[in-house]
Amino acid sequence: GQNIDQPTEMTATEGAIVQINCTYQTSGFNGLFWYQQHAGEAPTFLSYNVLDGLEEKGRFSSFLSRSKGYSYLLLKELQMKDSASYLCAVCDSNYQLIWGAGTKLIIKP
Amino acid sequence: IAGITQAPTSQILAAGRRMTLRCTQDMRHNAMYWYRQDLGLGLRLIHYSNTAGTTGKGEVPDGYSVSRANTDDFPLTLASAVPSQTSVYFCASSVSSEGTDTQYFGPGTRLTVL
Repeated sequence: GQNIDQPTEMTATEGAIVQINCTYQTSGFNGLFWYQQHAGEAPTFLSYNVLDGLEEKGRFSSFLSRSKGYSYLLLKELQMKDSASYLCAVCDSNYQLIWGAGTKLIIKP
Repeated sequence: IAGITQAPTSQILAAGRRMTLRCTQDMRHNAMYWYRQDLGLGLRLIHYSNTAGTTGKGEVPDGYSVSRANTDDFPLTLASAVPSQTSVYFCASSVSSEGTDTQYFGPGTRLTVL
């Protein structure tokens, strides 16, 4: 079966760095997405990785290792507004998105 | 309208009633999707449409139906609601049906079936 694993919840301190991991087992791979979802709101796009390596976009970076079935989202200089759930989704061989359950990130002052 | 809208924002419904959730996008996207989101579970695809006039079943289609008469609108109908359909429903769209395109989400409809 297809599976996406993410930690359920993480806590970090304002100004610090946090890494949210995502491991996947899917039938084929056509890219991995990260979305951010604030409580009570819609998911919004953060990043898309299809090749191995690190992609940096401001305070957020996303890493992919296809051979290991692994990705992480790195958030630097954490701000209170970064408190949200972070969703990992993999595009499989049928070009369907498989979603993880999301990681709830709590930022403390 | 800018982006994708959903109506109603929230609804409480008696079991057995029929309900249609509305979704409209103004981005001229070809593909549209309906998801449900439940606590502790990932987004689960209910139905999708690759282009106007076509629809397909997702992971959890039972009890739901959709139509895509034009590019902009993609309503989701619960023919006879049951309590297990209590959830938050998100409509989304993307330029094409290839999963590599970014999906844009509406604000969601919170549905409670009693």
